Amino acid sequence: AQRVTQPEKLLSVFKGAPVELKCNYSYSGSPELFWYVQYSRQRLQLLLRHISRESIKGFTADLNKGETSFHLKKPFAQEEDSAMYYCALRGMNTGFQKLVFGTGTRLLVSP
Amino acid sequence: DAGVTQSPTHLIKTRGQQVTLRCSPKSGHDTVSWYQQALGQGPQFIFQYYEEEERQRGNFPDRFSGHQFPNYSSELNVNALLLGDSALYLCASSLSTGVRNEQFFGPGTRLTVL
Repeated sequence: AQRVTQPEKLLSVFKGAPVELKCNYSYSGSPELFWYVQYSRQRLQLLLRHISRESIKGFTADLNKGETSFHLKKPFAQEEDSAMYYCALRGMNTGFQKLVFGTGTRLLVSP
Repeated sequence: DAGVTQSPTHLIKTRGQQVTLRCSPKSGHDTVSWYQQALGQGPQFIFQYYEEEERQRGNFPDRFSGHQFPNYSSELNVNALLLGDSALYLCASSLSTGVRNEQFFGPGTRLTVL
């Protein structure tokens, strides 16, 4: 079965502190992993995907197949990073169409 | 390009009624997916439409049905509404060419069932 687990509902940090949002997945095969972000009063949007291997807004995420994890990291959090973050996967077993989301983590960055 | 648009923004229905939600995809996109997001949960895949046919379906009952029109816009229909159908319904569009295409999301329709 495909499953995405985000163990933290809320992560609260101070500005300038490092951030790590955890994501673990369950999937038989090689999935594609994503991080989506939803800022206040905005629509859900793609932040980054593991195949791109790029840094977006200072965030990075590395796919660890051994630990089946795809944690999102940023060395120095900014107040504008406050948002809801969702980890998601899709896989070849479903023709790469269906996205499976975790329950999300709310990141709150305080000044 | 306004991106993915959805209507209406909010909707209130009573149990047993039927509802139709609408979605217009991003310009150039031909594939539409629907998701249900209950309060405090992540989006859950309902189904996907391509070439006016349901291509893939999630774990939702037959009360949930859809349609895609020749202009690629789509409708989501829910019959015999239950209290548990109260949620934010998201539409996402993508391009069929290239299986790893990004899905772009609309702002959602908030459905409340009383």
